[in-house]
Amino acid sequence: KAGVTQTPRYLIKTRGQQVTLSCSPISGHRSVSWYQQTPGQGLQFLFEYFSETQRNKGNFPGRFSGRQFSNSRSEMNVSTLELGDSALYLCASSFREGTYGYTFGSGTRLTVV
Amino acid sequence: AQSVTQLDSHVSVSEGTPVLLRCNYSSSYSPSLFWYVQHPNKGLQLLLKYTSAATLVKGINGFEAEFKKSETSFHLTKPSAHMSDAAEYFCVVSRGGTASKLTFGTGTRLQVTL
Repeated sequence: KAGVTQTPRYLIKTRGQQVTLSCSPISGHRSVSWYQQTPGQGLQFLFEYFSETQRNKGNFPGRFSGRQFSNSRSEMNVSTLELGDSALYLCASSFREGTYGYTFGSGTRLTVV
Repeated sequence: AQSVTQLDSHVSVSEGTPVLLRCNYSSSYSPSLFWYVQHPNKGLQLLLKYTSAATLVKGINGFEAEFKKSETSFHLTKPSAHMSDAAEYFCVVSRGGTASKLTFGTGTRLQVTL
């Protein structure tokens, strides 16, 4: 069965712009989480959605937002991009909310110039 | 609150020798613990997980880990390293149950030499 699909794989944006990243979970999975990975801060939790509701949120500014659609696909949006937002953004899906096994996508590499 | 400490940022072993990657955790609750592996330019792959069942957990590719509550440790081992094991390994803790946030360690880079 298909894994977690993240699009696009690579993205270059300019400071001040906004960006939307997409994540399609494994078929049947209803929970989607987002993580940011940077060399300095490592892997940090952004937020989790389950059945279109945000269940949990990490310590990121309000410029970072997300949503989940009825088909469980999720999008993450970052507004007013800063250089420090350059990172690998990873999406993970699970059958249900909670840590019953998360499958990660390959990520979207965002570079802000 | 929960946290995880990976005691080595870099481990180098020869092919065919044992692997030991060390992890200590802290959690106010009965934790769920995981090991993930990340190969260059790839996402994270789950190696194994502990969720309050057997304390010795077997994972994929010959890896296993033992949950030791008294030592708050969850070290990852493999009897014989293979070149393909070279990657970044992350120890991860979660509150468990339906509390979903994963807290990652800083990672251990495993180098395997001939």
